[in-house]
Amino acid sequence: TQLLEQSPQFLSIQEGENLTVYCNSSSVFSSLQWYRQEPGEGPVLLVTVVTGGEVKKLKRLTFQFGDARKDSSLHITAAQPGDTGLYLCAANTGNQFYFGTGTSLTVIP
Amino acid sequence: DTAVSQTPKYLVTQMGNDKSIKCEQNLGHDTMYWYKQDSKKFLKIMFSYNNKELIINETVPNRFSPKSPDKAHLNLHINSLELGDSAVYFCASSQDGGFYYGYTFGSGTRLTVV
Repeated sequence: TQLLEQSPQFLSIQEGENLTVYCNSSSVFSSLQWYRQEPGEGPVLLVTVVTGGEVKKLKRLTFQFGDARKDSSLHITAAQPGDTGLYLCAANTGNQFYFGTGTSLTVIP
Repeated sequence: DTAVSQTPKYLVTQMGNDKSIKCEQNLGHDTMYWYKQDSKKFLKIMFSYNNKELIINETVPNRFSPKSPDKAHLNLHINSLELGDSAVYFCASSQDGGFYYGYTFGSGTRLTVV
């Protein structure tokens, strides 16, 4: 069992659809981050959330940190082919940093 | 200028060989890391170095040894390579332990042991 479970593991949608990716844990975190990884590249930081209930928007991406700081969601509006990639949540508890199990998103033109 | 650069991009080698992967960052970050990404895309930390001092050493085989000649470089040396070592290895750096500003990753080294 991984500390950070993401769902779904795989997601294939048509261009223009909306989607939500979840990152869940039973642990409380000081901060939580979302990364996107494209094929052949390393993960790139999208956002950091630190306050329970916090919502951050990055263009068509909306990130929310759960009130209890145990979970997070990433919502993409009107997905585009350029959104295709592996989405990873990551969080720290104390001085340990963990990555989630990942969600592989494919947006079909 | 690439912020975190690692070489080589691809590495194919036979079992039992010794190999090294090099990493350099030009961001002025204090901490550098090595991560392993397995076939299921799961990222697991292997090592981190802060000011030339090892501060995290997960349960990796002692065939793996990080070497940091200075703050901008963290190389990974692997002895007696095994089939199970095949994976993508990522170097990363951070300025605050990654807790807020996150990690900056290199583009990865795909290691294939045959």
